[in-house]
Amino acid sequence: AQSVAQPEDQVKVAEGNPLTVKCTYSVSGNPYLFWYVQYPNRGLQFLLKYITGDNLVKGSYGFEAEFNKSQTSFHLKKPSALVSDSALYFCAVPDMKAAGNKLTFGGGTRVLVKP
Amino acid sequence: EAQVTQNPRYLITVTGKKLTVTCSQNMNHEYMSWYRQDPGLGLRQIYYSMNVEVTDKGDVPEGYKVSRKEKRNFPLILESPSPNQTSLYFCASSLAGGNQPQHFGDGTRLSIL
Repeated sequence: AQSVAQPEDQVKVAEGNPLTVKCTYSVSGNPYLFWYVQYPNRGLQFLLKYITGDNLVKGSYGFEAEFNKSQTSFHLKKPSALVSDSALYFCAVPDMKAAGNKLTFGGGTRVLVKP
Repeated sequence: EAQVTQNPRYLITVTGKKLTVTCSQNMNHEYMSWYRQDPGLGLRQIYYSMNVEVTDKGDVPEGYKVSRKEKRNFPLILESPSPNQTSLYFCASSLAGGNQPQHFGDGTRLSIL
C-alpha cells in the first residue's frame, strides 16, 4: 500500500527565514504527490502537485516543493516565511489503483512562524 | 466563485438522532468524497462518488450513508449517530483522475453526545 510520512509534527521558524516541511513517500511506480494547507477553521487548500518532469515544482503563495526520487522525498519549501504561513500542512498521494480519486494523507505538520 | 459548501458548520446532537450533512459544489466535478479528520489519524476517506448514482465505500464507511442524485450534491447521512462519530468532516470534489487536485469545503464539526 502506498503511503506518505511527515516526520515532524511541528516546525517553528522566525519570519523571514526559510521554511521547510518534510515529506517522504512510499509508492510503487511513478508517484503523483500533493501538498495541501489547512488554515484554522477552514478546509484544505491545494498548494501544488508533482506529476512528472521538473523536480522543482512551484505552487501558490510562494511555496515550492522538491521531488527527490532517490530519497523518496517531496519536501515543501518557502524561501522567506510569513506569519500568515502559520497553518497545518499535509502531504498526500492519490491511490491510482483505487477508484474515487482517494487521497492518502500524511499526519500533518503544524507550522508556526514567529514575528 | 468556485467552491464546495458544507452545512451545517457545527452541530451538537445526541446518540441515535439521525442527521444529514449537506455538501454542494459548483464546479461540475465528477468526483466527490467525504473525509473525517481525527487527531493523530489524519484524514480518512469515508465514501466517494465518481458520478451521479455511483457511490462506493472508502476506508471508514461504517455508520455512514451517502447518496448522489444530482451531480452537484453529495450528502452524508448518519442514521444512528454514536459518540465515536464525533469528528471534523470534510467534503471534497475534483475532476476525474488521480492527478487532479481536490477542492475541500470548510468542514463540519460534529459532536455526538
